[in-house]
Amino acid sequence: DVKVTQSSRYLVKRTGEKVFLECVQDMDHENMFWYRQDPGLGLRLIYFSYDVKMKEKGDIPEGYSVSREKKERFSLILESASTNQTSMYLCASSPGGRENTDTQYFGPGTRLTVL
Amino acid sequence: RKEVEQDPGPFNVPEGATVAFNCTYSNSASQSFFWYRQDCRKEPKLLMSVYSSGNEDGRFTAQLNRASQYISLLIRDSKLSDSATYLCVVRHTGNQFYFGTGTSLTVIP
Repeated sequence: DVKVTQSSRYLVKRTGEKVFLECVQDMDHENMFWYRQDPGLGLRLIYFSYDVKMKEKGDIPEGYSVSREKKERFSLILESASTNQTSMYLCASSPGGRENTDTQYFGPGTRLTVL
Repeated sequence: RKEVEQDPGPFNVPEGATVAFNCTYSNSASQSFFWYRQDCRKEPKLLMSVYSSGNEDGRFTAQLNRASQYISLLIRDSKLSDSATYLCVVRHTGNQFYFGTGTSLTVIP
């Protein structure tokens, strides 16, 4: 059974703080993704990674960066948190690679509030 | 124009009813199509992939119409446990997925 875990379920930070959101998957998946989900806007892709140390911008990368030093771990970094980054953050992984299996498996989400 | 559009609902239906959701996508080069289910305050989970010939999984039937660029999901004999938000998801070439905003379904006893 695929498991994707996220470091926190709930997080409260102050404007200007540096925020780290961690995601770990245990299925040796090639692809990992970070989304944010907001009411009325659905899930929007921030960044994704198809291999260690590789990353690509999604639709809304501004204000975010990512790190993938190990295959199982994909970190989302808010360099200087702002109130408009208050959101639900969802990490996902998919097998990718030669299998090219499309199913995405999501972590439980981190609800971030920036005050 | 949004990549994927869905009617947000809400759809409120009695138990046992049949309900259908539609979704349209803008990129004719889209390659893969899915329906995900998201329960309140939970993460999305894959309900079913959608194949060109249409496919069925128990009470759920998914259809794809490439010419008109829409995807449908039919739920027969609705159960209370079907209450959730249903997300339409499309993948173009490459690894980027596009999600609709979801359609809310409540099945009423």
